[in-house]
Amino acid sequence: QQQVKQSPQSLIVQKGGISIINCAYENTAFDYFPWYQQFPGKGPALLIAIRPDVSEKKEGRFTISFNKSAKQFSLHIMDSQPGDSATYFCAATLNDYKLSFGAGTTVTVRA
Amino acid sequence: DAGVTQSPTHLIKTRGQQVTLRCSPKSGHDTVSWYQQALGQGPQFIFQYYEEEERQRGNFPDRFSGHQFPNYSSELNVNALLLGDSALYLCASSHGTSLHEQFFGPGTRLTVL
Repeated sequence: QQQVKQSPQSLIVQKGGISIINCAYENTAFDYFPWYQQFPGKGPALLIAIRPDVSEKKEGRFTISFNKSAKQFSLHIMDSQPGDSATYFCAATLNDYKLSFGAGTTVTVRA
Repeated sequence: DAGVTQSPTHLIKTRGQQVTLRCSPKSGHDTVSWYQQALGQGPQFIFQYYEEEERQRGNFPDRFSGHQFPNYSSELNVNALLLGDSALYLCASSHGTSLHEQFFGPGTRLTVL
């Protein structure tokens, strides 16, 4: 049973554009929602994370928006750059237990 | 400072065989978690080792077992390999059992024929 559903599976954006990736979760008790970035041949790397008591968190060009009532959260990549081309995973955990990942979104930034 | 290292990089086995994958955590980390990442999918949590004991376990059969050594390095063992075990196996380390600040290794690509 997939506890975190991620969409779209892939997206293409022009350099300077905005990439938006959406995730929905089932368990309302989840208390930590990280996003990971993975380049080919590498392991995932923590990008940014949010807790459900915060509606938005921004770090540089990356922003997480969190909608607790809708059980959804999203990653926005502003001013997308070719170096942002990677696979992005949303995830969720409860009390540091069994981190559950989404299926991933492959982002391609065209120069 | 070396990050998380895993060996081997690639491995080919046949059905029914057994395999051992190895992981050395990032310097200063004492906890190791293992994940299975099938092609085109997100990582799936297998288990976590801290203080040489299994602390958490995901929905994986007993064919998957592990060990942590006094130097915090870890092994993942898979017995009676199935075709469906073909995947990238990721190791992640952290300080303490928190999953919030994990550092992932590059993974071991296992192919079962």
